[in-house]
Amino acid sequence: DTAVSQTPKYLVTQMGNDKSIKCEQNLGHDTMYWYKQDSKKFLKIMFSYNNKELIINETVPNRFSPKSPDKAHLNLHINSLELGDSAVYFCASSPRDRTTYEQYFGPGTRLTVT
Amino acid sequence: AQSVTQPDIHITVSEGASLELRCNYSYGATPYLFWYVQSPGQGLQLLLKYFSGDTLVQGIKGFEAEFKRSQSSFNLRKPSVHWSDAAEYFCAVRLSGGSYIPTFGRGTSLIVHP
Repeated sequence: DTAVSQTPKYLVTQMGNDKSIKCEQNLGHDTMYWYKQDSKKFLKIMFSYNNKELIINETVPNRFSPKSPDKAHLNLHINSLELGDSAVYFCASSPRDRTTYEQYFGPGTRLTVT
Repeated sequence: AQSVTQPDIHITVSEGASLELRCNYSYGATPYLFWYVQSPGQGLQLLLKYFSGDTLVQGIKGFEAEFKRSQSSFNLRKPSVHWSDAAEYFCAVRLSGGSYIPTFGRGTSLIVHP
């Protein structure tokens, strides 16, 4: 009964490839996010989706494209992978409650680009 | 611009000793405050949160935090640390009435010696 799940957990690929990371939440939340965590543990927001609509698109390269087929899923597709894309990517979700917005995180996907 | 500072990159304590992790923020408005913990290889888990009311909040795993408006701080404490508390700790802040996307600090790595 995992709340926020991501697949795969590890992803090793070569430069120039295209890859996708999937995220699903079974919490009934309306808002989902993608974060990138670098080697120094810094968390950077990439995207936020609320009920299938993109709300935030921080300054990330357009090689990254989020896709939300329904409000329980938010997938991340990455084109033409570069060495600098190596990081841990976290999916998260939160309820659309104006007094909380506390976030629930998935276990992360460690992406290694060689 | 809003910012969150965790002054300590690493903290080392002995098992059984008390712990305090510092978090300072710079905002003009009333903030919503969070502490998350990231165990090795895991996603972030919410430890506790503050929105209003009693400035001393209790969280999971025996942690507590105190909001001090005059010092713009929200320090995390635990009276007796266990070896399983070794992890990365993140403070996060969100403005009430502002963006629902929180700003995360850079994290403090807690090392526990036996």
